[in-house]
Amino acid sequence: DTGVSQDPRHKITKRGQNVTFRCDPISEHNRLYWYRQTLGQGPEFLTYFQNEAQLEKSRLLSDRFSAERPKGSFSTLEIQRTEQGDSAMYLCATSPSGTTDTQYFGPGTRLTVL
Amino acid sequence: AQKITQTQPGMFVQEKEAVTLDCTYDTSDPSYGLFWYKQPSSGEMIFLIYQGSYDQQNATEGRYSLNFQKARKSANLVISASQLGDSAMYFCAMRDDFGNEKLTFGTGTRLTIIP
Repeated sequence: DTGVSQDPRHKITKRGQNVTFRCDPISEHNRLYWYRQTLGQGPEFLTYFQNEAQLEKSRLLSDRFSAERPKGSFSTLEIQRTEQGDSAMYLCATSPSGTTDTQYFGPGTRLTVL
Repeated sequence: AQKITQTQPGMFVQEKEAVTLDCTYDTSDPSYGLFWYKQPSSGEMIFLIYQGSYDQQNATEGRYSLNFQKARKSANLVISASQLGDSAMYFCAMRDDFGNEKLTFGTGTRLTIIP
């Protein structure tokens, strides 16, 4: 399978715990995006990487959220001190570096905070 | 700021009929891209079709076509000969062609195909 992969697919945690999600992009895709999707809504942009550089963060990304892409390949999204409002689907998308390229999404990680 | 509006929360269509899903957008950027994605119950966003703001012709991909009316700022998705497997959420999205090129999504339309 050469598509975008995400791990885990589902995560249930208790409020206050830390969680980390991983995204593996399509090979040679330089751009990587994280989105969050709550029930009944479309995905909302969280942050963006061009290779290993994190170039933009949404105001939705509070200081409890941190994302990394250390070698310009896979990326991790960590949420510290989780809150019930963090319950959502976290989607990763990647694209090549051209300005008209399509973003391809992974299957997402569904987070439930109890 | 960019905005996508999808006014149809849900639609029911008989199998084998054509269906049009509405999407209007708002942007002040001269260059942008418009996308449609399908999201089955499994959750993955599946890319369907893309239209660039400067493209002269409407995009087509198999049974999917995009009815792009730039002056009206609309980008409706047309699915011909609908199939049971088309039942899913459908999202219209716009890409900012300047800056980070993030996608802005609408709230989606839930399409149900009736046998």
